[in-house]
Amino acid sequence: AQTVTQSQPEMSVQEAETVTLSCTYDTSESDYYLFWYKQPPSRQMILVIRQEAYKQQNATENRFSVNFQKAAKSFSLKISDSQLGDAAMYFCAVSSNTGKLIFGQGTTLQVKP
Amino acid sequence: NAGVTQTPKFQVLKTGQSMTLQCAQDMNHEYMSWYRQDPGMGLRLIHYSVGAGITDQGEVPNGYNVSRSTTEDFPLRLLSAAPSQTSVYFCASSYSGLAGEGGELFFGEGSRLTVL
Repeated sequence: AQTVTQSQPEMSVQEAETVTLSCTYDTSESDYYLFWYKQPPSRQMILVIRQEAYKQQNATENRFSVNFQKAAKSFSLKISDSQLGDAAMYFCAVSSNTGKLIFGQGTTLQVKP
Repeated sequence: NAGVTQTPKFQVLKTGQSMTLQCAQDMNHEYMSWYRQDPGMGLRLIHYSVGAGITDQGEVPNGYNVSRSTTEDFPLRLLSAAPSQTSVYFCASSYSGLAGEGGELFFGEGSRLTVL
């Protein structure tokens, strides 16, 4: 069975600073994908970034980047130059060959002006 | 450009009542799924479907039924609602099986269900 663990229920960062959200996972599959989703107060789920497990290069999307450590089963999200609009709940997720996408418990990010 | 549409957005039920949460997508996605979101628990997978006529259980399937008679629709049925089913429910779809092509999951806006 797949599991995803986000050990930081809440994080805060000063505007314009950098913050890293942690995620560890467990899967027995060799082929899988990892995701970070953002959920603002509007409740909408927004894809932030995606990583293919077979790629060694870390994915980046503008101010968002990941540190993917496959052997350690770690998939952290780094947000650079934090903005007030980044305040949200962030979910880490991992997919499987059976079609399941399993989410972690979420990390609430507060951005202080 | 509707995407994933969930109805109703809010519902209050009494214990023991039944209801169906509707989910429809107009993107011709093969993969559809239902999640529930509870504080401190993240999103937990209830049931999913990789195509019309095919459904399977997720992490927390008890108390819920699904069917997939068409590609577009994936309703979630609560046969006898319980207070433990008070939650926010999300329907999500993807073009293909997630692992094979890493397809992004498109979410509906969520349905808040309260069971008294």
